[in-house]
Amino acid sequence: ELKVEQNPLFLSMQEGKNYTIYCNYSTTSDRLYWYRQDPGKSLESLFVLLSNGAVKQEGRLMASLDTKARLSTLHITAAVHDLSATYFCAVDDKDFGNEKLTFGTGTRLTIIP
Amino acid sequence: DAGVTQSPTHLIKTRGQQVTLRCSPKSGHDTVSWYQQALGQGPQFIFQYYEEEERQRGNFPDRFSGHQFPNYSSELNVNALLLGDSALYLCASSPGLFAYGYTFGSGTRLTVV
Repeated sequence: ELKVEQNPLFLSMQEGKNYTIYCNYSTTSDRLYWYRQDPGKSLESLFVLLSNGAVKQEGRLMASLDTKARLSTLHITAAVHDLSATYFCAVDDKDFGNEKLTFGTGTRLTIIP
Repeated sequence: DAGVTQSPTHLIKTRGQQVTLRCSPKSGHDTVSWYQQALGQGPQFIFQYYEEEERQRGNFPDRFSGHQFPNYSSELNVNALLLGDSALYLCASSPGLFAYGYTFGSGTRLTVV
């Protein structure tokens, strides 16, 4: 069974600082997604990573994928308050024919002024 | 272009009752998946529908059932509601089997009392 682990689970950081969220998964997969969720809201797609070495950037967020290490990272540069949210990584499960997303536990990010 | 539409947005039911949740996929999408997100957890895959058939199913009891209509919209039915069924139910659509890129609806918040 595919397992997806994120760390840290909770992250409190000051505005202007940099930090990285890690996502490890247990079996081979070539599709990894990052989502943002605000309290009580649905999931907003941030990035789709489709191959080993893929790197995508949008504003202060940058995501990368290392399929050999089964690791993805979400890097936050010069954090601002608007980035406060819960971030999930999710992996397409090949054992389910890539028809099922398995989510990590989420990282609750709080940016402190 | 309308995204994924779910109804109702909120629902309160009593233990033992039955509930039906509805989802209209994004225009051009023909595959619908349902996820359950308990408070403080990542979403869990319930099942996926394509061509009006259940394609894949997660680890959920038979009390959870679904349907997809010819216009690709979908329903999620839950019978004999338990307190533990209280959660945010998310519908996601995608442009065909094995296609990457899921669009999530805003969800239905179900409370069982």
